[in-house]
Amino acid sequence: GGIITQTPKFLIGQEGQKLTLKCQQNFNHDTMYWYRQDSGKGLRLIYYSITENDLQKGDLSEGYDASREKKSSFSLTVTSAQKNEMAVFLCASSPGFQDTQYFGPGTRLLVL
Amino acid sequence: SQLAEENPWALSVHEGESVTVNCSYKTSITALQWYRQKSGEGPAQLILIRSNEREKRNGRLRATLDTSSQSSSLSITATRCEDTAVYFCVDTNAYKVIFGKGTHLHVLP
Repeated sequence: GGIITQTPKFLIGQEGQKLTLKCQQNFNHDTMYWYRQDSGKGLRLIYYSITENDLQKGDLSEGYDASREKKSSFSLTVTSAQKNEMAVFLCASSPGFQDTQYFGPGTRLLVL
Repeated sequence: SQLAEENPWALSVHEGESVTVNCSYKTSITALQWYRQKSGEGPAQLILIRSNEREKRNGRLRATLDTSSQSSSLSITATRCEDTAVYFCVDTNAYKVIFGKGTHLHVLP
């Protein structure tokens, strides 16, 4: 078994701030993902990385940067936080792109 | 664009009853995955059913796949309060992985 760790659990920022969310996995999976989930809605893919050193944009990449520092870690940066923004950011990993995804508990973002 | 879509949007049942969630998808698939997300948690996969399979079971869960009508269903028998969650189907033939809005299931005591 393995685990996905997301830090921080809660993140409160101010408008215009650059905010970074971190994700670690010990499954030794090749592929990692970042999703955004707004209240009561589905998951929207922001960025994913098929292997170490790879980076692919999802449908919601504008306003975000991502970095796959090593196989086990994948970071997401909100480049300029929007006022009143509130969402949960979910990280996931899978052996390959179309395989079962294992999710972390999420980082809850609130921008004041 | 959404590739797979669940219906209904929400439903409620009483504990012990059976329930079925449906999914329609738009592309040819190699597999379809069902996930469940409980409140405050990330999604967790329940069943992966491949395009050459018609039915797959996992305990009280049963998934079916009909490639001719591009539809799938997830049935839960003997529901429990802890089955209360959002249920998603995910098309895994797509180059992009897209989760729909899900079906919100509420199991009442």
